[in-house]
Amino acid sequence: DGGITQSPKYLFRKEGQNVTLSCEQNLNHDAMYWYRQDPGQGLRLIYYSQIVNDFQKGDIAEGYSVSREKKESFPLTVTSAQKNPTAFYLCASSAPRTGVNEKLFFGSGTQLSVL
Amino acid sequence: GIQVEQSPPDLILQEGANSTLRCNFSDSVNNLQWFHQNPWGQLINLFYIPSGTKQNGRLSATTVATERYSLLYISSSQTTDSGVYFCAVRNFGNEKLTFGTGTRLTIIP
Repeated sequence: DGGITQSPKYLFRKEGQNVTLSCEQNLNHDAMYWYRQDPGQGLRLIYYSQIVNDFQKGDIAEGYSVSREKKESFPLTVTSAQKNPTAFYLCASSAPRTGVNEKLFFGSGTQLSVL
Repeated sequence: GIQVEQSPPDLILQEGANSTLRCNFSDSVNNLQWFHQNPWGQLINLFYIPSGTKQNGRLSATTVATERYSLLYISSSQTTDSGVYFCAVRNFGNEKLTFGTGTRLTIIP
């Protein structure tokens, strides 16, 4: 089945620890995105990548880092510099801009909590 | 940046009722999408609709780009329609989608 796989589903972080959230897609999409969702809120963009080996900061990139070494994978690291990391993290992907096929597809999310 | 406002913030309906959700945006857009987030957090893309009207079963959407709003219609609501509905837009010259804060829909049996 084609889709976006996020792991783990739940993740706990200790003070001062870096943690990495995994996102893999087999939709052959060029663009991938990471969003953060706080309770009762909309989605805010952390980082996005439109092509392999290139990525840009979103609206709330501080305390996060990403890499895009493969088209299928876009891992997100939550660093110790992110002081309020507790949130629901969503990975998404979309096809290149064709004017027709720009729909955004999401993974099932990772809930990150601080111990 | 572009502002996106969704209304109403909360909506509680009896099963079988119809509903209309609204998304207003502050600038011209070249991308507008509607999503449904179920109670388990999964976001499903309902429509890609920067202009015009589309229908998919009991759901339909209309975007009037010149007046900067979009409407999502749900007919004959079912309990599985419960969740949060988000509108997301992208304006010209911007690479990023901006999400509204959503409408929480609760369907009572």
